[in-house]
Amino acid sequence: DAGITQSPRHKVTETGTPVTLRCHQTENHRYMYWYRQDPGHGLRLIHYSYGVKDTDKGEVSDGYSVSRSKTEDFLLTLESATSSQTSVYFCAIRTDTPNTEAFFGQGTRLTVV
Amino acid sequence: ILNVEQSPQSLHVQEGDSTNFTCSFPSSNFYALHWYRWETAKSPEALFVMTLNGDEKKKGRISATLNTKEGYSYLYIKGSQPEDSATYLCASGGADGLTFGKGTHLIIQP
Repeated sequence: DAGITQSPRHKVTETGTPVTLRCHQTENHRYMYWYRQDPGHGLRLIHYSYGVKDTDKGEVSDGYSVSRSKTEDFLLTLESATSSQTSVYFCAIRTDTPNTEAFFGQGTRLTVV
Repeated sequence: ILNVEQSPQSLHVQEGDSTNFTCSFPSSNFYALHWYRWETAKSPEALFVMTLNGDEKKKGRISATLNTKEGYSYLYIKGSQPEDSATYLCASGGADGLTFGKGTHLIIQP
């Protein structure tokens, strides 16, 4: 298994509270991604990072921010959680070698009540 | 935003039979096509990454083809086994992230 760990694995939080999800890798891969998985949708890209302090928005970035202060950690923050952000969140990593596969973490199930 | 479509949405196949399903994607600005296998309660695992028109890749009983000019890829499973039951995802894109289809949910019936 690729060395990628998400924490927490499960979280229940209240509407309006901030939440931070962590993705940690031991592979020294350049690219890191946050996706969300919802019924009736494919995995959708929230944000990605192409290096330390280098991030960009994905398809569904509203309400989310990210930070990457070191290669191994990519944090996803829900600034003020809403019920529409109830989802399963997956982190993924890739090397900078072109056309290689992504490796996924085990997911974080977030419920906003 | 790319539009990646997969069909069928779900598929029931008898053990031992062969099957295939489709991924379609925009052929303009194509970079790469990925196939992933996703078992329940696990994370998606890569099967293939394909870039060349006409390319065919194989891993055991599973193979995939790619047509970048018309924007489709087929995934084939030969002699289905119960352990092939999973959701198969295709995705298109590059280093700036992948656009995924909704997946084909495959159930192998003994």
